[in-house]
Amino acid sequence: SQTIHQWPATLVQPVGSPLSLECTVEGTSNPNLYWYRQAAGRGLQLLFYSVGIGQISSEVPQNLSASRPQDRQFILSSKKLLLSDSGFYLCAWSAGAYSYNSPLHFGNGTRLTVT
Amino acid sequence: DAKTTQPNSMESNEEEPVHLPCNHSTISGTDYIHWYRQLPSQGPEYVIHGLTSNVNNRMASLAIAEDRKSSTLILHRATLRDAAVYYCILSYSKLTFGTGTRLQVTL
Repeated sequence: SQTIHQWPATLVQPVGSPLSLECTVEGTSNPNLYWYRQAAGRGLQLLFYSVGIGQISSEVPQNLSASRPQDRQFILSSKKLLLSDSGFYLCAWSAGAYSYNSPLHFGNGTRLTVT
Repeated sequence: DAKTTQPNSMESNEEEPVHLPCNHSTISGTDYIHWYRQLPSQGPEYVIHGLTSNVNNRMASLAIAEDRKSSTLILHRATLRDAAVYYCILSYSKLTFGTGTRLQVTL
């Protein structure tokens, strides 16, 4: 069966520090991968999605970046965190073509607090 | 991108059916309707999805209007564990999640 791992579960970082969140998927090949952010009391905002190694699409301008160095690994990074980067970050995967008849499967998320 | 509209909150008594509505009047012919639910401090969980016909699975049923401009997620017997935020999204709208419907289930 497929599983998705996301870590760390919680993170407290000072403003201006770098960020690296990692997500890996097991039990499937060529997944579509996604990074979402959820601010407190808000809906989920799609940040990045990837349909293959090295292929990253950004949905919103921000100081975050994403990379996909391996088929089942998706990394969210920042060189310098802002207070507004605080939130609940979720990684997800889906099989098949992007946004078609494939459900999203989410990880348990990382709660990031920038102080 | 097509958007969805859901009530902010709904309440239900335990053991009773719950009908969660979703309006998507600008849905395109190729949009699938997906439903997810999210418990506090957890990632969303897939519930059900469909295109035109009503769908059933072990978790819920999805009723899709004939013109596809609205849909209803049906929980046949709500339990306390069904208390969550329920999201209705369209597959071609870049999987954008709104704020969903917060379902409260009481004894």
